[in-house]
Amino acid sequence: EDQVTQSPEALRLQEGESSSLNCSYTVSGLRGLFWYRQDPGKGPEFLFTLYSAGEEKEKERLKATLTKKESFLHITAPKPEDSATYLCAVQARQGGSEKLVFGKGTKLTVNP
Amino acid sequence: DTGVSQNPRHKITKRGQNVTFRCDPISEHNRLYWYRQTLGQGPEFLTYFQNEAQLEKSRLLSDRFSAERPKGSFSTLEIQRTEQGDSAMYLCASSSWTVATNEKLFFGSGTQLSVL
Repeated sequence: EDQVTQSPEALRLQEGESSSLNCSYTVSGLRGLFWYRQDPGKGPEFLFTLYSAGEEKEKERLKATLTKKESFLHITAPKPEDSATYLCAVQARQGGSEKLVFGKGTKLTVNP
Repeated sequence: DTGVSQNPRHKITKRGQNVTFRCDPISEHNRLYWYRQTLGQGPEFLTYFQNEAQLEKSRLLSDRFSAERPKGSFSTLEIQRTEQGDSAMYLCASSSWTVATNEKLFFGSGTQLSVL
Protein backbone atom coordinates (compact mmCIF):
# COMPACT_ATOMS: atom_id res chain seq x y z
CA GLU A 1 0.00 0.00 0.00
CA ASP A 2 1.27 3.46 -0.92
CA GLN A 3 2.26 5.54 2.12
CA VAL A 4 3.50 9.03 2.86
CA THR A 5 5.02 10.09 6.18
CA GLN A 6 5.82 13.71 6.89
CA SER A 7 8.04 15.08 9.63
CA PRO A 8 8.04 16.99 11.82
CA GLU A 9 4.31 17.27 12.53
CA ALA A 10 4.81 20.89 13.58
CA LEU A 11 7.68 23.34 13.24
CA ARG A 12 8.14 26.79 14.73
CA LEU A 13 10.73 29.10 13.17
CA GLN A 14 11.80 32.66 13.70
CA GLU A 15 11.59 34.91 10.68
CA GLY A 16 14.74 34.38 8.63
CA GLU A 17 15.56 30.99 10.20
CA SER A 18 15.93 28.48 7.34
CA SER A 19 14.85 24.84 7.74
CA SER A 20 13.63 21.74 5.88
CA LEU A 21 10.49 19.62 5.94
CA ASN A 22 10.72 15.90 5.20
CA CYS A 23 8.42 13.62 3.22
CA SER A 24 9.21 9.89 3.20
CA TYR A 25 7.26 7.69 0.84
CA THR A 26 6.70 4.13 -0.29
CA VAL A 27 4.91 3.70 -3.58
CA SER A 28 4.54 1.04 -6.25
CA GLY A 29 6.41 3.00 -8.90
CA LEU A 30 6.42 6.77 -8.52
CA ARG A 31 4.58 8.72 -11.19
CA GLY A 32 4.88 12.01 -9.35
CA LEU A 33 5.45 13.59 -5.94
CA PHE A 34 3.49 16.74 -5.15
CA TRP A 35 3.85 19.51 -2.58
CA TYR A 36 0.83 21.60 -1.58
CA ARG A 37 0.34 24.42 0.88
CA GLN A 38 -2.88 24.63 2.92
CA ASP A 39 -4.05 27.64 4.90
CA PRO A 40 -6.67 27.22 7.65
CA GLY A 41 -10.20 26.86 6.23
CA LYS A 42 -8.93 26.64 2.65
CA GLY A 43 -8.22 23.88 0.17
CA PRO A 44 -4.65 22.89 -0.68
CA GLU A 45 -2.73 25.11 -3.10
CA PHE A 46 -0.33 23.50 -5.57
CA LEU A 47 3.38 24.25 -5.16
CA PHE A 48 5.50 21.67 -7.03
CA THR A 49 5.53 18.35 -8.87
CA LEU A 50 8.71 16.21 -8.91
CA TYR A 51 9.05 13.14 -11.12
CA SER A 52 12.48 11.56 -10.73
CA ALA A 53 15.31 11.29 -8.20
CA GLY A 54 17.68 14.22 -8.38
CA GLU A 55 15.05 16.65 -9.59
CA GLU A 56 14.78 20.05 -7.90
CA LYS A 57 12.27 22.89 -8.24
CA GLU A 58 12.24 26.38 -6.74
CA LYS A 59 9.66 29.04 -6.12
CA GLU A 60 10.53 32.17 -4.16
CA ARG A 61 11.80 30.99 -0.73
CA LEU A 62 10.85 27.34 -1.34
CA LYS A 63 12.94 24.60 -2.93
CA ALA A 64 11.78 21.00 -3.32
CA THR A 65 14.14 18.08 -3.87
CA LEU A 66 13.54 14.37 -4.53
CA THR A 67 15.42 11.15 -3.84
CA LYS A 68 14.25 7.57 -4.35
CA LYS A 69 12.77 7.40 -0.86
CA GLU A 70 12.07 10.94 0.27
CA SER A 71 11.54 14.55 -0.64
CA PHE A 72 12.56 17.70 1.17
CA LEU A 73 10.97 21.11 1.13
CA HIS A 74 13.64 23.65 2.00
CA ILE A 75 12.48 27.04 3.26
CA THR A 76 15.08 29.78 3.05
CA ALA A 77 14.73 32.91 5.21
CA PRO A 78 11.01 32.32 5.88
CA LYS A 79 8.55 35.12 6.50
CA PRO A 80 5.39 35.04 8.67
CA GLU A 81 3.27 34.71 5.51
CA ASP A 82 4.90 31.31 4.90
CA SER A 83 3.00 30.00 7.93
CA ALA A 84 0.73 27.18 6.73
CA THR A 85 0.41 23.40 6.64
CA TYR A 86 2.58 21.85 3.94
CA LEU A 87 1.25 18.62 2.43
CA CYS A 88 3.18 16.03 0.46
CA ALA A 89 1.41 13.56 -1.84
CA VAL A 90 2.43 10.75 -4.21
CA GLN A 91 0.83 9.33 -7.30
CA ALA A 92 1.62 5.74 -8.19
CA ARG A 93 2.53 4.55 -11.66
CA GLN A 94 1.17 1.03 -11.22
CA GLY A 95 -2.47 0.06 -10.89
CA GLY A 96 -3.84 2.77 -13.16
CA SER A 97 -5.11 4.87 -10.26
CA GLU A 98 -5.26 8.64 -10.58
CA LYS A 99 -5.50 9.27 -6.85
CA LEU A 100 -3.02 11.25 -4.82
CA VAL A 101 -2.02 9.72 -1.49
CA PHE A 102 -1.36 12.52 0.99
CA GLY A 103 0.66 12.66 4.19
CA LYS A 104 -0.69 14.30 7.32
CA GLY A 105 1.25 17.47 6.70
CA THR A 106 3.71 19.66 8.57
CA LYS A 107 2.25 22.71 10.28
CA LEU A 108 4.77 25.55 9.93
CA THR A 109 4.60 28.65 12.08
CA VAL A 110 6.99 31.53 11.36
CA ASN A 111 7.19 34.12 14.12
CA PRO A 112 8.13 37.74 13.33
CA ASP B 1 -13.55 34.52 -9.55
CA THR B 2 -12.43 31.69 -11.85
CA GLY B 3 -11.41 29.18 -9.18
CA VAL B 4 -13.17 26.02 -7.99
CA SER B 5 -16.38 26.88 -6.18
CA GLN B 6 -18.02 24.70 -3.53
CA ASN B 7 -21.40 25.14 -1.89
CA PRO B 8 -22.41 25.23 0.84
CA ARG B 9 -19.29 26.16 2.84
CA HIS B 10 -20.75 24.67 6.00
CA LYS B 11 -23.46 22.09 6.59
CA ILE B 12 -24.82 20.88 9.93
CA THR B 13 -27.16 17.92 9.83
CA LYS B 14 -28.63 15.31 12.10
CA ARG B 15 -27.61 11.67 11.94
CA GLY B 16 -29.70 9.79 9.40
CA GLN B 17 -30.41 12.79 7.16
CA ASN B 18 -29.28 13.05 3.53
CA VAL B 19 -26.98 15.85 2.40
CA THR B 20 -25.83 17.05 -1.03
CA PHE B 21 -22.82 19.20 -1.88
CA ARG B 22 -22.13 21.01 -5.13
CA CYS B 23 -18.83 21.71 -6.89
CA ASP B 24 -18.32 24.03 -9.85
CA PRO B 25 -14.87 23.38 -11.37
CA ILE B 26 -12.74 25.74 -13.41
CA SER B 27 -14.65 25.95 -16.68
CA GLU B 28 -12.16 24.45 -19.11
CA HIS B 29 -11.09 21.60 -16.80
CA ASN B 30 -12.08 18.10 -17.89
CA ARG B 31 -11.26 16.26 -14.65
CA LEU B 32 -13.03 16.68 -11.32
CA TYR B 33 -12.07 15.02 -8.02
CA TRP B 34 -13.64 14.61 -4.61
CA TYR B 35 -11.47 14.24 -1.50
CA ARG B 36 -12.33 14.11 2.19
CA GLN B 37 -10.19 15.60 4.97
CA THR B 38 -10.53 15.24 8.74
CA LEU B 39 -8.74 17.34 11.34
CA GLY B 40 -5.01 16.68 11.46
CA GLN B 41 -5.07 14.41 8.42
CA GLY B 42 -4.25 14.86 4.78
CA PRO B 43 -6.98 14.68 2.13
CA GLU B 44 -8.25 11.18 1.23
CA PHE B 45 -9.30 10.37 -2.32
CA LEU B 46 -12.97 9.51 -2.86
CA THR B 47 -13.66 9.56 -6.60
CA TYR B 48 -12.94 11.32 -9.86
CA PHE B 49 -14.59 12.12 -13.19
CA GLN B 50 -13.21 12.70 -16.62
CA ASN B 51 -15.86 14.79 -18.33
CA GLU B 52 -19.13 13.08 -17.32
CA ALA B 53 -17.66 9.60 -16.77
CA GLN B 54 -16.89 8.47 -13.23
CA LEU B 55 -13.63 6.56 -13.77
CA GLU B 56 -12.47 5.66 -10.27
CA LYS B 57 -14.03 5.21 -6.83
CA SER B 58 -12.18 4.60 -3.58
CA ARG B 59 -12.96 1.54 -1.51
CA LEU B 60 -13.65 4.09 1.24
CA LEU B 61 -16.72 5.23 -0.67
CA SER B 62 -19.59 3.23 0.83
CA ASP B 63 -22.93 2.66 -0.86
CA ARG B 64 -24.28 5.67 1.02
CA PHE B 65 -22.11 7.98 -1.09
CA SER B 66 -22.93 8.85 -4.68
CA ALA B 67 -21.41 11.41 -7.00
CA GLU B 68 -22.55 12.70 -10.37
CA ARG B 69 -21.21 15.06 -12.99
CA PRO B 70 -23.98 15.58 -15.54
CA LYS B 71 -22.81 16.93 -18.90
CA GLY B 72 -19.25 17.12 -17.60
CA SER B 73 -19.79 20.44 -15.86
CA PHE B 74 -20.61 20.82 -12.14
CA SER B 75 -20.64 17.84 -9.80
CA THR B 76 -22.72 16.82 -6.80
CA LEU B 77 -21.77 14.54 -3.93
CA GLU B 78 -24.67 13.05 -1.96
CA ILE B 79 -24.39 11.25 1.35
CA GLN B 80 -27.45 9.26 2.40
CA ARG B 81 -28.29 8.34 6.00
CA THR B 82 -25.41 10.37 7.40
CA GLU B 83 -23.37 9.03 10.32
CA GLN B 84 -21.22 10.91 12.81
CA GLY B 85 -18.14 9.43 11.16
CA ASP B 86 -19.03 11.32 7.97
CA SER B 87 -18.13 14.61 9.68
CA ALA B 88 -15.24 16.05 7.66
CA MET B 89 -14.22 18.67 5.12
CA TYR B 90 -15.25 17.57 1.62
CA LEU B 91 -12.88 18.99 -0.95
CA CYS B 92 -13.42 19.26 -4.69
CA ALA B 93 -10.58 19.72 -7.14
CA SER B 94 -10.33 20.07 -10.90
CA SER B 95 -7.59 19.75 -13.49
CA SER B 96 -7.00 20.06 -17.18
CA TRP B 97 -5.62 16.70 -18.19
CA THR B 98 -4.17 15.53 -21.47
CA VAL B 99 -1.75 12.69 -22.20
CA ALA B 100 0.99 15.26 -22.67
CA THR B 101 0.40 17.42 -19.59
CA ASN B 102 1.08 16.77 -15.95
CA GLU B 103 -1.69 16.83 -13.44
CA LYS B 104 -1.92 19.89 -11.24
CA LEU B 105 -5.02 19.93 -9.07
CA PHE B 106 -6.85 23.15 -8.21
CA PHE B 107 -8.80 22.72 -4.98
CA GLY B 108 -11.88 24.55 -3.78
CA SER B 109 -12.24 25.76 -0.19
CA GLY B 110 -14.36 22.74 0.73
CA THR B 111 -17.67 22.02 2.44
CA GLN B 112 -17.37 21.40 6.19
CA LEU B 113 -19.93 18.78 7.24
CA SER B 114 -20.90 18.30 10.87
CA VAL B 115 -23.20 15.38 11.69
CA LEU B 116 -24.84 15.70 15.12
